[in-house]
This record gives sequence, structure tokens and C-alpha cells, in this order.
Amino acid sequence: DAGVTQSPTHLIKTRGQQVTLRCSPKSGHDTVSWYQQALGQGPQFIFQYYEEEERQRGNFPDRFSGHQFPNYSSELNVNALLLGDSALYLCASSLFYSGVADTQYFGPGTRLTVL
Amino acid sequence: QKEVEQNSGPLSVPEGAIASLNCTYSDRGSQSFFWYRQYSGKSPELIMSIYSNGDKEDGRFTAQLNKASQYVSLLIRDSQPSDSATYLCAVNTGFQKLVFGTGTRLLVSP
Repeated sequence: DAGVTQSPTHLIKTRGQQVTLRCSPKSGHDTVSWYQQALGQGPQFIFQYYEEEERQRGNFPDRFSGHQFPNYSSELNVNALLLGDSALYLCASSLFYSGVADTQYFGPGTRLTVL
Repeated sequence: QKEVEQNSGPLSVPEGAIASLNCTYSDRGSQSFFWYRQYSGKSPELIMSIYSNGDKEDGRFTAQLNKASQYVSLLIRDSQPSDSATYLCAVNTGFQKLVFGTGTRLLVSP
């Protein structure tokens, strides 16, 4: 049973560039949530996708956008990168059940460095 | 006030001892509670989930929830050096997102 997968593992970009991160959820899961984890901090919720729609969004600017595909995989896009966007980006998958996303399982993460 | 608060530590315990990790949360409407373990440079790994008041045991781990006091704890019995990691408390406030504390760093010495 494949777990949550993310690509790429590491990424180095320069300020002002754009980046796309990818996530495939755990088999049988239909909901994908994205989190940003800065060094020494807990993960911060960016947004969640279910049925190809953004269902909930955290306190992140519009530079952060996403997409979910019919196979439940998801992308996170960040435009106009800032130095402060350097972080570990985590994808979590879950099963949407009775209107509340169930337990979330995390992928290995993508380490983004902005120079 | 932060939504989810944890002591950053480090919490140092000798091998074989009980480690007690604590977490408080501010939203009384919170529905479910989770403990994740995160090794340095790795992603969070789910240890326990708890939904009702009381204790929930799984192997060497026991999660305790007290909704009236807005308090969640994790006990690790017979602590091992391999338990050394950062433990993240996460709260689902019912709005389909997890709110995390900053984590408690646990050090288990041989």
C-alpha cells in the first residue's frame, strides 16, 4: 500500500521565480492538505482540496495556489518567491468522512530553498 | 494566546523512564486531537489520535484528553533513545484543518 508521495525532494529557486510542488495521496484517500513548516516551527496550514475544489484556506497570500486532479493528486504553486518562503512543504492525505477530514498522513515533504 | 501551546523543551529523560508531553488548546469547539513524532529533517509521523475524554493506550504510548481543561497529553513508557524526536500536538478545530503546536523536543539518554 503506497503511502503519500511528494516530488521533488529538494528544490532551490531564486527570489521572484515560481515553483510547483506535487503530491499523490495515500491509496484510498480523497483529500489533500498542504502545510508549510519553517525551521523550528510546527506546520502551518495552507489549504485543503477535496473533489477538486479548495475547501479551506489558511492565512497565506494569493501567491500560494493549488489544484487537485481527478485522480486526487494535487499541486501547490507559489509565485513571486520570497526568501521567507524557504521551508519544508508538507502534503497530507486523508479520507473525507461525514463532512470532516479524517486523520491526516504526511508525505516526506519538499524542502524549498529560496536564494 | 496561541491556538495550540506546547513547551518547546528539550525534555530530557533517562532510558526506561516515562516521558510526559503536554499540550493546551484554545478552541473549545475542537473535535479531534493528534500526536505526531518528527525526527530531524523528516516529516511528521502519526503516533496517536484521540477524540473522547479519557485515556487511549497504544503500546508504550498513552494519550490523555481533558476537554474541560482543554488539555491533551502524551505519555511514553519505557522511553528509548530512538524516541528522541520532536513531538507535535495537533488539533482539528472542526474546520477541516490541523492547527499544530511548535512541538516539544524529547531527548532520551542511554
